[in-house]
Amino acid sequence: KQEVTQIPAALSVPEGENLVLNCSFTDSAIYNLQWFRQDPGKGLTSLLLIQSSQREQTSGRLNASLDKSSGRSTLYIAASQPGDSATYLCAVPSGNTPLVFGKGTRLSVIA
Amino acid sequence: ETGVTQSPTHLIKTRGQQVTLRCSSQSGHNTVSWYQQALGQGPQFIFQYYREEENGRGNFPPRFSGLQFPNYSSELNVNALELDDSALYLCASSLSRHEQYFGPGTRLTVT
Repeated sequence: KQEVTQIPAALSVPEGENLVLNCSFTDSAIYNLQWFRQDPGKGLTSLLLIQSSQREQTSGRLNASLDKSSGRSTLYIAASQPGDSATYLCAVPSGNTPLVFGKGTRLSVIA
Repeated sequence: ETGVTQSPTHLIKTRGQQVTLRCSSQSGHNTVSWYQQALGQGPQFIFQYYREEENGRGNFPPRFSGLQFPNYSSELNVNALELDDSALYLCASSLSRHEQYFGPGTRLTVT
């Protein structure tokens, strides 16, 4: 059974800092991994999708890496801004389950 | 291109009642998935529909049921509501096993 763990559960940083969010998964037989952003009480916004054949994907100040063999992914956020404050979720497909999610990392960027 | 929409935005029901939530998939997407997200948790997979057939189900009881229509929109029905059914219900659409796009969610409160 696929399990996804995200560390840390919460993170508070001053504006401008670079930061790394971690995601690990127990079954490395995945074909992609998605990172999402969720604002309080809202739906999920897809940030990055990494195919299993890729090692990283970039979108603006965001960079996500994937190491299938070790069951790990990281989301790097450069030059953080208060508008980046949100919960970040990673998710992988597993069998007939389209996405198995971690519990997320709640990020606060302080101005 | 229209994104994923959900209705209603929020609603309050009494224990034992029945509720229907609705989702319109993104244009061109033939697959709809439903998730339940309790406060402080990651979304949990309920079930998925592909071309009007259920083709995957998570660990939810039969009182959670669904439909997908020929235009690929979908409904989630929950019978005999329980207090623990209070959650954010998220719908996602995709093209088969590709990237999932989420709607804004429906906040259900059961009293």
